[in-house]
Amino acid sequence: EVVLTQSPATLSLSPGERATLSCRASQSVSSQLAWYQHKPGQAPRLLIYDATNRATGIPPRFRGSGSGTDFTLTIVYLEPEDFAIYYCQQRANRPVTFGLGTKLEI
Amino acid sequence: QITLKESGPTLVKPAETLTLTCTFSGFSLTTNGVGVGWIRQAPGKALEWLVFIYWDDDKRYSPSLKDRLTITKDTSKNQVVLTLTDVDPVDTATYYCAHRRRVSGNWDTGDLDYWGQGTLVAVS
Repeated sequence: EVVLTQSPATLSLSPGERATLSCRASQSVSSQLAWYQHKPGQAPRLLIYDATNRATGIPPRFRGSGSGTDFTLTIVYLEPEDFAIYYCQQRANRPVTFGLGTKLEI
Repeated sequence: QITLKESGPTLVKPAETLTLTCTFSGFSLTTNGVGVGWIRQAPGKALEWLVFIYWDDDKRYSPSLKDRLTITKDTSKNQVVLTLTDVDPVDTATYYCAHRRRVSGNWDTGDLDYWGQGTLVAVS
């Protein structure tokens, strides 16, 4: 199965700063990669699908890039509500797999 | 507006069968192309995809759990039911159901555009 490695495990930033999160796949997943935001006690939220496409209602400060094995989620200007855990997920190969997540903390 | 909510026991004994229900609104599992998935997350572990069920009753199971998992749907109630047999403490996790984003192609996989809040199940 495809292993997704996210880095860093924890990212400490302040509101207004830029966040760069990485997801590396153990084999090519083409552009079939998604990003999710998860806050404790809440439903995970799809941010980006197919590497670069923002999901419905996602603000433009969230940007996805990459293809093949290396992907990046950039939050260009951190808002207070952006501090959460972020997961990547691939759908190119069965079974669907997720990364361990990056915790974005203040 | 699509919403999903998981329900079921919070504690199950080893070797028993776990049954979880996903009740959803805002879409129909009779509509062509629609699917619902189950995903779980054990403490400190990655999210793990379990199964998809589709409008045409097609079911796609995780290879690692397919012998223990069963998924069914009740379209009149807008519900999907997941059963996991012979549970073990390693099955302790938060279980989520989610709406599969509608995309054609590989029905074995997909991403999830709406999720429930999850239900924590302990096996002990």
